[in-house]
Amino acid sequence: QKEVEQNSGPLSVPEGAIASLNCTYSDRVSQSFFWYRQYSGKSPELIMSIYSNGDKEDGRFTAQLNKASQYVSLLIRDSQPSDSATYLCAVNTLNTGGFKTIFGAGTRLFVKA
Amino acid sequence: DGGITQSPKYLFRKEGQNVTLSCEQNLNHDAMYWYRQDPGQGLRLIYYSQIVNDFQKGDIAEGYSVSREKKESFPLTVTSAQKNPTAFYLCASYDRPYGYTFGSGTRLTVV
Repeated sequence: QKEVEQNSGPLSVPEGAIASLNCTYSDRVSQSFFWYRQYSGKSPELIMSIYSNGDKEDGRFTAQLNKASQYVSLLIRDSQPSDSATYLCAVNTLNTGGFKTIFGAGTRLFVKA
Repeated sequence: DGGITQSPKYLFRKEGQNVTLSCEQNLNHDAMYWYRQDPGQGLRLIYYSQIVNDFQKGDIAEGYSVSREKKESFPLTVTSAQKNPTAFYLCASYDRPYGYTFGSGTRLTVV
């Protein structure tokens, strides 16, 4: 059973701090990794995608991938109350005829003003 | 603006009734997906289609049916065989390297 695990939280950080969200996955041949943000009652929206080991930065967001340790993380710098949401980790793995995406259950983040 | 349009936003189903959720896209993406989201759980794949007139079952296809007669449209029918249909349903298209683009979702409740 291929799995993606996230700490359900809630993770609470003060405004202006760095929020660190972690995700581990079980399938070693996973190829593509995504972070989605989902506000309460809304649909997920893509924040970051990462495909190779190392860091990828986009504004206040940094995705980190370590395939040897099978984890991917998302750092949010200068956290704002508007960052309060559930963050979903998604992993693409090889499957018959193509790929399959496995979503984690999400980590709830609260940024306190 | 390009995107995924789902309707209705809220839907109520009576026992024994079939209901259809609409999903339309203008992104010109070949691949479309239906996911189900329950509280505290990750998204689970119901059906997907990689090309017109072809679709594949996902992990939880029982009690659901789909069609893909046009590239733009991928409707999902929740049949009476689905015994626990109350959930948030998300339609999405996929385009590498951007990942999924999701519609705004349909919240289905059994009454």
